[in-house]
Amino acid sequence: QKEVEQDPGPLSVPEGAIVSLNCTYSNSAFQYFMWYRQYSRKGPELLMYTYSSGNKEDGRFTAQVDKSSKYISLFIRDSQPSDSATYLCAMSSMDTGRRALTFGSGTRLQVQP
Amino acid sequence: GAGVSQSPSNKVTEKGKDVELRCDPISGHTALYWYRQRLGQGLEFLIYFQGNSAPDKSGLPSDRFSAERTGESVSTLTIQRTQQEDSAVYLCASSPGQGGQPQHFGDGTRLSIL
Repeated sequence: QKEVEQDPGPLSVPEGAIVSLNCTYSNSAFQYFMWYRQYSRKGPELLMYTYSSGNKEDGRFTAQVDKSSKYISLFIRDSQPSDSATYLCAMSSMDTGRRALTFGSGTRLQVQP
Repeated sequence: GAGVSQSPSNKVTEKGKDVELRCDPISGHTALYWYRQRLGQGLEFLIYFQGNSAPDKSGLPSDRFSAERTGESVSTLTIQRTQQEDSAVYLCASSPGQGGQPQHFGDGTRLSIL
């Protein structure tokens, strides 16, 4: 079993829809949670960064972390065709010492105009 | 300011050749990471540098892989005697290196082994 599980999609939605992307994880030591967006042939771009449980909002994006359930989510409101990309969840723990990120395999999102 | 810069952006080479990939981190970032991304997959950690500390090499898949970093600047990842399974995108990231600071990525080097 992978440490971080993420539905690969593809997820296809119409423009304007609310998108929900999710990851589950098994390592209870994870404390830092990130969402990255990756366009084709580009590096991952940091979207959201949260520490421990709770919600964080930035424009059309909301990140939620539920450590008790080992479950994180990214919501995109009023989705746009420009949001079409692969979304990667990532997480880390100070306990690992090296602080390298553990990634999900990514969910491919397509927003249809 | 400038982001993480990687070169070359693409590299095609024959099986058995050595390749060297370069990463220029964001200025002032003490932590530098190399990851590998195979087609349709997430990122796989390779190696981590933090300041002048000994690097964490725990993710390197074989002794054909090595990396160096000069102080807190440029890093090179070297793959010797390349194999077809080495074909992937090699991504470099840097962070300020304190606590759980998020990492910022370059656009990677797309390596193809013929």
